[in-house]
Amino acid sequence: AQRVTQPEKLLSVFKGAPVELKCNYSYSGSPELFWYVQYSRQRLQLLLRHISRESIKGFTADLNKGETSFHLKKPFAQEEDSAMYYCALWGGATNKLIFGTGTLLAVQP
Amino acid sequence: NAGVTQTPKFRVLKTGQSMTLLCAQDMNHEYMYWYRQDPGMGLRLIHYSVGEGTTAKGEVPDGYNVSRLKKQNFLLGLESAAPSQTSVYFCASSYQPRTQYFGPGTRLTVT
Repeated sequence: AQRVTQPEKLLSVFKGAPVELKCNYSYSGSPELFWYVQYSRQRLQLLLRHISRESIKGFTADLNKGETSFHLKKPFAQEEDSAMYYCALWGGATNKLIFGTGTLLAVQP
Repeated sequence: NAGVTQTPKFRVLKTGQSMTLLCAQDMNHEYMYWYRQDPGMGLRLIHYSVGEGTTAKGEVPDGYNVSRLKKQNFLLGLESAAPSQTSVYFCASSYQPRTQYFGPGTRLTVT
């Protein structure tokens, strides 16, 4: 079955601390994974995708096929990073994105 | 470009009432989606469309109907609202399905 698991509902860190938002997936083929972010009172938007191997706003995510993970990392958290983060898996022939339940990141001053 | 817009932003319904949520996009996207967002459950796909005149069921389609008569519009209907349909509804569109552009959401309360 295709599934995305985000085990943490809430992650609270202090400004300047490292951040790791966990995402694990279940998929039988070659996965395509994404991170979407929703800032307070704003719409959901794409943050990054594993294919691009890019760094957006200091965030990176590496696909680990052995551990079936796609964790989102940032070395030094900023208060403006506070948001809800969703990991998503492309469902292939289903033409659908499968979202995890989301992790709320709260960066304390 | 306005991107993806949703109408209305807020709505309160009584159990049994009906309503239609409108999603409009001006990016000439083929794919459009309706999700609901509930605490602890993330985003769940209700229905989606891969092109004008087509619709398909998502993960939680029961109690909802959709129509895509025009490429730019995707309507979500609730024929007989229930308290379990209290949620925030998001529409999204995309040129290719992986990168979706979301609307601002509609907050619906059913009493």
